[in-house]
Amino acid sequence: GEEVAQTPKHLVRGEGQKAKLYCAPIKGHSYVFWYQQVLKNEFKFLISFQNENVFDETGMPKERFSAKCLPNSPCSLEIQATKLEDSAVYFCASSRSGNDYGYTFGSGTRLTVV
Amino acid sequence: GQSLEQPSEVTAVEGAIVQINCTYQTSGFYGLSWYQQHDGGAPTFLSYNALDGLEETGRFSSFLSRSDSYGYLLLQELQMKDSASYFCAVPRGSGSARQLTFGSGTQLTVLP
Repeated sequence: GEEVAQTPKHLVRGEGQKAKLYCAPIKGHSYVFWYQQVLKNEFKFLISFQNENVFDETGMPKERFSAKCLPNSPCSLEIQATKLEDSAVYFCASSRSGNDYGYTFGSGTRLTVV
Repeated sequence: GQSLEQPSEVTAVEGAIVQINCTYQTSGFYGLSWYQQHDGGAPTFLSYNALDGLEETGRFSSFLSRSDSYGYLLLQELQMKDSASYFCAVPRGSGSARQLTFGSGTQLTVLP
């Protein structure tokens, strides 16, 4: 399809619980990016993929965050042992190529940690 | 490192013209993108300037001056639906792909 599909739209987790978010990029787009946006402010880059390979994970807090993009499956972002400060909207975006800076974003998953 | 600065808020009236500025500091520069986001929804790509000058797309134009590390988004004939946050962004990283680093966003309010 021509949209980036993110599920679920909303997720509520108790502190310490696991959260898993999904993203289906546009077919034919080779790059996937995950961003975190807190309180409608700037977007914090987390990780990028080129197809199923991690391209850049410099933004990931690796002790609790992990991500995958497997063939024929939606990409996923998992947070183990969520903390209150993980409450944010997590956006996934995809692009056709590495130098295509017109990303297509999904509608995001709003994670609330209580 | 990289930093982008843009005003936090801009207000204008319907039908007017508004300019949203963005200055950047980067260790390497590849271009400047602009995105629109309505009320926390999916950001939408507006424009990308890799070269100096003005790019026009309908009511929206984007300008870049690499020598001044500066760009702007120009919105003409403002409509109520243009009320949104606007983010400038620059590619950073290395290799064959670079992820966008975003500014903090400018909240545009269009008044009737």
